[in-house]
Parts: sequence; C-alpha cells; structure tokens
Amino acid sequence: SQELEQSPQSLIVQEGKNLTINCTSSKTLYGLYWYKQKYGEGLIFLMMLQKGGEEKSHEKITAKLDEKKQQSSLHITASQPSHAGIYLCGAVGVGGAQKLVFGQGTRLTINP
Amino acid sequence: GAGVSQSPSNKVTEKGKDVELRCDPISGHTALYWYRQRLGQGLEFLIYFQGNSAPDKSGLPSDRFSAERTGESVSTLTIQRTQQEDSAVYLCASSLVGGNTIYFGEGSWLTVV
Repeated sequence: SQELEQSPQSLIVQEGKNLTINCTSSKTLYGLYWYKQKYGEGLIFLMMLQKGGEEKSHEKITAKLDEKKQQSSLHITASQPSHAGIYLCGAVGVGGAQKLVFGQGTRLTINP
Repeated sequence: GAGVSQSPSNKVTEKGKDVELRCDPISGHTALYWYRQRLGQGLEFLIYFQGNSAPDKSGLPSDRFSAERTGESVSTLTIQRTQQEDSAVYLCASSLVGGNTIYFGEGSWLTVV
C-alpha cells in the first residue's frame, strides 16, 4: 500500500521566516493534495498538483511536485501567525482519488 | 449548502452504545468519503461512495462500522457497540467525480467513555 512520509513532523519558526515542508511517497504519485488543519475547522484545501514539475501558489504558499522523486514540497514565504496549524499531504494512487492516502502531518508553530 | 456539513460536531457516548454520524455533502457532489483521525495521528480512509454505491469499503475497521448514503446526498456512518478505541474525529469529504478538489467537513468528534 502507498505510504506518505512528511518531514519535519513539527516545525517552529519565527514570524517572517521562510519554511519548507516535504512529503515523500513510497509509490508513484498520480496527484498530490495539500491541506491545512486547525482545531475545530476540519481540513482546508490548499492546492492539488497533478503533473510532474507542476508548481502552484496560493497567497504566500507555494507547492511543487517532483514525480521522479515521488515528492512534493510546500514552501511558505514570510510566515505569519495565521499560517500556524497542521499541514497534511494526501496522495492519489493508481486507484484514483477515491482513496486518498494521507501523511501524518507537519505541525507548524509560528512564534511572534 | 456552501460546504460539507457534519453532525453532531461533538458526541460523548458510553461504551457499548450505538452512534450515528451524519454528513451533508456539497450539493451536486456525487463522491463522498469518510475518514477517521485519532488524536495526534493521520487520517485513515474508511469508505468511499460514488452516488449511493460504496465501491470501496476496505477501510471500515470492523463489522461494527457501517455506512449508507441515500439520494446521492446525505450519508450516515454508524458505529455499533462503541469501544473506547473508536474515540476519534470522523471526517467527511465530498467532491465531483473526477473533480480535483476534495472538500472536508469540520468533523464529528466522538468520545467513548
């Protein structure tokens, strides 16, 4: 079965700093979702990457997909307290989006 | 509705009781998913509906768990004879079939005491 490993598991950065979260798959990626989770707010969709080399941005968050490495990275520029939360990557396997497999999450804390 | 709606948002139940969790997907979304997330852990896939059919039930942890969907809309996840290890947040999500965006509800927090 497909497994996703996120690194780091937790991250504490000072407000204004840049940061990167990685998501590595054990199998071929057919698509990769990034979500943010805050207590009581469920999962907030950030973006979905489908093609190798694809890069998408949403406000100060940029994600890239490297199919060869079976990896995606999420980069936040000039972090703000509102970026704090748990970031989850979800992979689309050969079976399609019907069964997304998620990583364990990266807990991001932003210190003022 | 505007988003995926789940109820109840919080449920405390005694061990051995049955519970029903409800999910109202986004209108028009024919794909519906249930996930479970235990405290401090990742999301576990439970079941997927395409319309009213569930082609993939492989994630249901035991025969105490069942789910149904009617009218290609509301879905109910039922847990019978609840155990303490069932304590978790149960997340529902929906999407258009073939759509790229899967939207999640805020979850139903279940505590079995």
